Amino acid sequence: QVQLQESGPGLVKPSETLSLTCTVSGASVSSGSYYWSWIRQPPGKGLEYIGYVYYSGSTNYNPSLKSRVTMSIDTSKNQFSLKLISVTAADTAVYYCARDKGGNHFDFWGQGTLVTVSS
Amino acid sequence: DIQMTQSPSSLSASVGDRVTITCRASQSISRYLHWYQQKPDKAPKLLISFASSLQTGVPSRFSGSGFGTDFTLTISSLQPEDFATYFCQESQSTSYTFGQGTKLEI
Repeated sequence: QVQLQESGPGLVKPSETLSLTCTVSGASVSSGSYYWSWIRQPPGKGLEYIGYVYYSGSTNYNPSLKSRVTMSIDTSKNQFSLKLISVTAADTAVYYCARDKGGNHFDFWGQGTLVTVSS
Repeated sequence: DIQMTQSPSSLSASVGDRVTITCRASQSISRYLHWYQQKPDKAPKLLISFASSLQTGVPSRFSGSGFGTDFTLTISSLQPEDFATYFCQESQSTSYTFGQGTKLEI
C-alpha cells in the first residue's frame, strides 16, 4: 500500500523558510508515471495546489507561489521536499504531500502536517 | 486562470436522500475534473476521476457526470459516513485549481 508521510517543523517564524519533507513507502519516486505534489489547506478553508516535482527534478509551481517555492526530490531516500521562503501568517496551513497520477489527480495523500507561522 | 465554482457551499440532508453537488469551470476543461471527499482532520480522498470514473473501493452510490464547464457529483442514497466536505479539482491547467468545497451536513 502506498503511504506518504510529511515531516518538518510545526512552527516557523515570519520571514523565515518553511521546509517540509515527504517520505514515500510502497511506491518509488523514481517512477515516471507520477508527479510528487504539495497541497495546502489553511484552517477552515479550501485546498490550494502548491506544485509538483517529477523524478527527473523538473517542477511545476502554482503561479501565485512560484516566486517563493522550491521543490526537490531525493530518489536515494525515496523522498521529496518543499521549501517556501519569506513566510507570513497567510502561509499557516495544513500541508499535504500527495501522489499525482499522470499529471491529473491525487490518488494518495499524506496525513497532513500543520505549519503555523508565528513569532 | 481557471476558476472552479461549487454549489451549494453547504447542504443539509438526511440519511437516504439523493443529493447533487455542482462544479462549474470558468472555461472548458473537457473531462479533466476530479472529485474528493474530506472528513474532519483527514486528508482528502479521491472519489471520482475524469468526471465519471469511480475509484476502486468507492461505493456505487457515488456517481459523477459532466463535460466542458458543468459537472455534477451525485450521491444516490446518503449514508451516515457520507457527511463530509466535497471538493472538485480541474487538471486542464497546470495550476490544478480546486473548488471551494461543499459541506454536506445532517
